[in-house]
Amino acid sequence: NAGVTQTPKFQVLKTGQSMTLQCAQDMNHNSMYWYRQDPGMGLRLIYYSASEGTTDKGEVPNGYNVSRLNKREFSLRLESAAPSQTSVYFCASSGARRVALSTGELFFGEGSRLTVL
Amino acid sequence: AQSVTQLGSHVSVSEGALVLLRCNYSSSVPPYLFWYVQYPNQGLQLLLKYTSAATLVKGINGFEAEFKKSETSFHLTKPSAHMSDAAEYFCAVTDQPGNTPLVFGKGTRLSVIA
Repeated sequence: NAGVTQTPKFQVLKTGQSMTLQCAQDMNHNSMYWYRQDPGMGLRLIYYSASEGTTDKGEVPNGYNVSRLNKREFSLRLESAAPSQTSVYFCASSGARRVALSTGELFFGEGSRLTVL
Repeated sequence: AQSVTQLGSHVSVSEGALVLLRCNYSSSVPPYLFWYVQYPNQGLQLLLKYTSAATLVKGINGFEAEFKKSETSFHLTKPSAHMSDAAEYFCAVTDQPGNTPLVFGKGTRLSVIA
């Protein structure tokens, strides 16, 4: 019963390097999200995908790109990493309205801790 | 635009004492409200949710929250704190579950003192 799986769990980058965070869910959910968590800031939405084939910016999209590869997978790419992108990144998914109301809105992965030196 | 304010970034209680974590929301339409808990080095998990049915909502681990429209609040309570309750708690709001993303508060870290 995997739920939402994120890889890698830990990554250290140098400024200017690029990387992709992978996320996959096995719950047949329509919507997927990327949040970042920083101390004292809570969770802030980077990008989301309400359905396969669509993506939208969230509160803090600058410096990131996303790809909704298929219904299961939603990746987050840092093209040129900066120290300000040091954070813990969470992927989440949710079903359609009826499902979301009955099951609890968002299911989260365990997070990916990224350090940019 | 929706927003959530959690009063107190850190709350400390003694074991067995009442836990009260405060959440106020701002929404132009009837909101759907959630409390999530995050244990160290883990993702978030749902504690409870308000979806316009009962205003007093019971969740897991003995927590409950009351939706008060007149006060735009959704405070989280537990009658008796346990050491295992030490975690970070997030309040969140949306107006369209499943269609629009949750907006989270900044979180409240709960410490429980033996």
